Amino acid sequence: EVQLVQSGAEVKKPGESLRISCKGSGYSFTSYWISWVRQMPGKGLEWMGRIDPSDSYTNYSPSFQGHVTISADKSISTAYLQWSSLKASDTAMYYCARLGYYDTGDAFDIWGQGTMVTVSS
Amino acid sequence: EIVLTQSPGTLSLSPGERATLSCRASQSVSSSYLAWYQQKPGQAPRLLIYGASSRATGIPDRFSGSGSGTDFTLTISRLEPEDFAVYYCQQYGSSWYTFGQGTKLEIK
Repeated sequence: EVQLVQSGAEVKKPGESLRISCKGSGYSFTSYWISWVRQMPGKGLEWMGRIDPSDSYTNYSPSFQGHVTISADKSISTAYLQWSSLKASDTAMYYCARLGYYDTGDAFDIWGQGTMVTVSS
Repeated sequence: EIVLTQSPGTLSLSPGERATLSCRASQSVSSSYLAWYQQKPGQAPRLLIYGASSRATGIPDRFSGSGSGTDFTLTISRLEPEDFAVYYCQQYGSSWYTFGQGTKLEIK
């Protein structure tokens, strides 16, 4: 079964660092880009950035550039989303998603279950 | 940045009725990079349509997508109880992706 499994919920204080993970299985991890998507409570989906696991090339939404870091370890088929100093406004559900390629286009075809990050003093 | 505007914000319909959801882009979008997703409460989004009109694996044929340029539509021909959810359109352009703000499809 093709799937992305994310790490568990986190509760952190402002200023703390955090790294959450997304492990792919059932497919060739290096053949598909992985994106991260934020969903703040009661709000819509926001694309944060993506990584090519084969060479760790990344690009970010301007809204998130400099605020988060996306990385990957292809040896263990895992992508990461990292913060160096969390803020209360980072409280959200974070999804990883695989970019699937099809003959008529591409789209996020496999999603992780989500990781809830709560930042509160 | 291409902005996607979905309408209506909320759509109230009954099971068995036809639903038409709109997604309008601030500039032309390649049809290859227009997708639709369904999200139910407490769940991750699910891909419905890619390439503006191709159904993803396992998606019932009551779901269809159409459109080109700046205007795209998701149609659900005959609503089933499990179709009541939030729907998002999404596009890729200029090295990044954007989502519409979503349309909530609720039971009337």
